[in-house]
Amino acid sequence: EMQLVASGGGLVQPGRSLRLSCAASGFNLDDYAMHWVRQAPGKGLEWVSGITWNSGRIGYSDSVKGRFTISRDNAKNSLYLQMNSLRAEDTALYYCVKDQSYDSKSYGLDIWGQGTMVTVSS
Amino acid sequence: EIVLTQSPATLSLSPGERATLSCRASQSVGSYLAWYQQRPGQSPKLLIFDASNRATGIPARFSGSGSGTDFTLTISSLEPEDFAVYFCQDRSNWPPVTFGQGTRLEIK
Repeated sequence: EMQLVASGGGLVQPGRSLRLSCAASGFNLDDYAMHWVRQAPGKGLEWVSGITWNSGRIGYSDSVKGRFTISRDNAKNSLYLQMNSLRAEDTALYYCVKDQSYDSKSYGLDIWGQGTMVTVSS
Repeated sequence: EIVLTQSPATLSLSPGERATLSCRASQSVGSYLAWYQQRPGQSPKLLIFDASNRATGIPARFSGSGSGTDFTLTISSLEPEDFAVYFCQDRSNWPPVTFGQGTRLEIK
């Protein structure tokens, strides 16, 4: 069974950093592009960042560009999101998501993790 | 940047009825549109990709149609488990990946 398990969320003060991790199982991570998508409490889905299978193309939403860094370690079947200079508006459930495609032309996001909650508050 | 607008915001129907959800793009996305279902307390689930292709394991009562700027998700006969929030997504080259704001399908 293909599965994604995200971890690393928690309560953090504004301006501080947090690193999210996502462990994949049941498939080879290096065959697919991966994304982070977040959802603030009671709100819709917001794409945060994506990375192609070989890290050749990386993208960020305007709201996190310059503060967040996505990376992957295919040998460890893992995806990461380094989040710096966190703001209250970054408070959300962060989903690790697998793309059906390997490159930046998405064929739909077919496997979603359970999410890890990030709360930015003093 | 493409904007996806879903309508209605909330749809109230009874089990057994037919549901029609709309997603309109601010510019053509070809057939590159996906639909997701999110039940309360759960992660989103891919239903439809490329406008009309059902994802693995998705029941035949779910169907998608449309191209260009206007798309429709139809649920032919609502089951109790279908009452959820539905999102559309533009799947063309990212960045960015764009989602619609969602349609809440509630029991009447």
